[in-house]
Amino acid sequence: GEDVEQSLFLSVREGDSSVINCTYTDSSSTYLYWYKQEPGAGLQLLTYIFSNMDMKQDQRLTVLLNKKDKHLSLRIADTQTGDSAIYFCAERWGTYKYIFGTGTRLKVLA
Amino acid sequence: IAGITQAPTSQILAAGRRMTLRCTQDMRHNAMYWYRQDLGLGLRLIHYSNTAGTTGKGEVPDGYSVSRANTDDFPLTLASAVPSQTSVYFCASSDHAPASYNEQFFGPGTRLTVL
Repeated sequence: GEDVEQSLFLSVREGDSSVINCTYTDSSSTYLYWYKQEPGAGLQLLTYIFSNMDMKQDQRLTVLLNKKDKHLSLRIADTQTGDSAIYFCAERWGTYKYIFGTGTRLKVLA
Repeated sequence: IAGITQAPTSQILAAGRRMTLRCTQDMRHNAMYWYRQDLGLGLRLIHYSNTAGTTGKGEVPDGYSVSRANTDDFPLTLASAVPSQTSVYFCASSDHAPASYNEQFFGPGTRLTVL
């Protein structure tokens, strides 16, 4: 079945770059997403990438998509303590179904 | 603008009881979703609705039912709760268009404990 995998934890120092990785299984996904979940809250969309793109940059965020390897990554430049959260990658599967990864808990050390 | 609201915030429920989790959005979004979030498993789709009057099954629909009588409300019902349904439940909505990226907007969640 469909599966989206992420490592569970990542710890970085403030000011360093963070790279969160994700592998997905559905090569026909049209859109892939990164959502952020802060403690006690719902998810919020950070960024997305269309499947015909290799890279997308949005301020401190860079998304890389390798369709051949079904690998998606999110790079956060100059990571701040406010970036501490759980990050979920997700793929759109079919028209209305979305498969989310397990989430990566990012801890930023001051 | 409230966006998307859920009630209750949290609930402790005895096994075997019936429970309805409420979800309301004021964005006039056509699509709505219910997810459960469990540690180590991420979010899993329970049910979805692409428009009022229609619903569909997600990854983990067993033990849950939904209805979509109007655009704004999408209640999730546990007919007879079991301990494995202990989870955090998130409702989401999106203004879904096939050719668009379709951002999902999430509610604050309902923490449900079934004893």
